[in-house]
Amino acid sequence: DAKTTQPPSMDCAEGRAANLPCNHSTISGNEYVYWYRQIHSQGPQYIIHGLKNNETNEMASLIITEDRKSSTLILPHATLRDTAVYYCIVRVAGDFNKFYFGSGTKLNVKP
Amino acid sequence: GAVVSQHPSWVICKSGTSVKIECRSLDFQATTMFWYRQFPKQSLMLMATSNEGSKATYEQGVEKDKFLINHASLTLSTLTVTSAHPEDSSFYICSARANLGQTIAYEQYFGPGTRLTVT
Repeated sequence: DAKTTQPPSMDCAEGRAANLPCNHSTISGNEYVYWYRQIHSQGPQYIIHGLKNNETNEMASLIITEDRKSSTLILPHATLRDTAVYYCIVRVAGDFNKFYFGSGTKLNVKP
Repeated sequence: GAVVSQHPSWVICKSGTSVKIECRSLDFQATTMFWYRQFPKQSLMLMATSNEGSKATYEQGVEKDKFLINHASLTLSTLTVTSAHPEDSSFYICSARANLGQTIAYEQYFGPGTRLTVT
């Protein structure tokens, strides 16, 4: 699986959009970009994933650059409950493909 | 839907004893489950892949005789930490991947984790 690079931490004001970047310059054509988050002392929570096109769901939006070498997770209106470590993972979708977690970005949402 | 539970949520045991942690997919079937370990302020480290009806596969550096995995049904995998020592104290997290053909998303869903403290 391709490696990802994320900033170790970011701050965001409550109510504002949080934009979390991820670099995955060695991503392969069949690898998806996944985002998970982990709130302190809990298991990771699935947020969103995509291959080429931008994706949106009730939690977030995922913007993938045209060359697929980087992506941005957008939380449109961050709340204090969004404070967590956000992990960007790239992997091939399939039955036996594993998730390898990098170090992630600690998002601190401040009042 | 797509709920994964773990039991116990926390456990304290004495050095030299064995501890079993259960991982259950509550509303979907999972042929494949995964076990992770997480030390304080570190990321999740994949330990092994648990396959229903067959032997688990372990990541490099993980002792298979120390971390016994049994995937006896499509909804249950267990991790047994044998002869536990203080350095095994960690947060253990499982994930389950829904089988093809089920209505939920084609993703991995994670349990809430089990905090193991070995004294």
